[in-house]
Amino acid sequence: KQEVTQIPAALSVPEGENLVLNCSFTDSAIYNLQWFRQDPGKGLTSLLLIQSSQREQTSGRLNASLDKSSGRSTLYIAASQPGDSATYLCAVSYPSGGGADGLTFGKGTHLIIQP
Amino acid sequence: EAGVTQFPSHSVIEKGQTVTLRCDPISGHDNLYWYRRVMGKEIKFLLHFVKESKQDESGMPNNRFLAERTGGTYSTLKVQPAELEDSGVYFCASSQVSEQYFGPGTRLTVT
Repeated sequence: KQEVTQIPAALSVPEGENLVLNCSFTDSAIYNLQWFRQDPGKGLTSLLLIQSSQREQTSGRLNASLDKSSGRSTLYIAASQPGDSATYLCAVSYPSGGGADGLTFGKGTHLIIQP
Repeated sequence: EAGVTQFPSHSVIEKGQTVTLRCDPISGHDNLYWYRRVMGKEIKFLLHFVKESKQDESGMPNNRFLAERTGGTYSTLKVQPAELEDSGVYFCASSQVSEQYFGPGTRLTVT
């Protein structure tokens, strides 16, 4: 059974700090890994997608790395802002019929950035 | 470009009733996925369409759930008859190749 674990479950830091969210997965034969953010009562917003052959992806202040052999990914947020407060979800997919199957999600990290 | 849309945003029904949820994917996306989050749990995969065909329905909880995707466009997820444990948020997502884009979800409450 494939499982995704996210640590920490919750994190509260002052504005301006750099921070790292962790994700681990039990089966390393992934197709890709996606990081999402979810705001209360809203849907999921895709932040970064890392293909299994890639080591990292960057978008603005966000950087996601992937170590497939050890089953780990990290999401680095630089110079955090109050608007970054949200739940961050890590999800992996596995190969299926030439493409990707459904995502397996972690429980998320609830992030609060204090002004 | 319009994102993934879902209807209704909220639905409150009584146990034993039928509810149909609708998802309109991003235009041109052949892949459509349904997911569900029940209270306190992580989001769980339900099923995956490629165009109008079911690629994987291993996550469907039981035969009270029926998903269709007519003509490979929009999709519906019917729950009949609804039970209390079906309460949760139902998400739809679509993708062209790899990256999945999610809709806002339908919050279903069964009383």
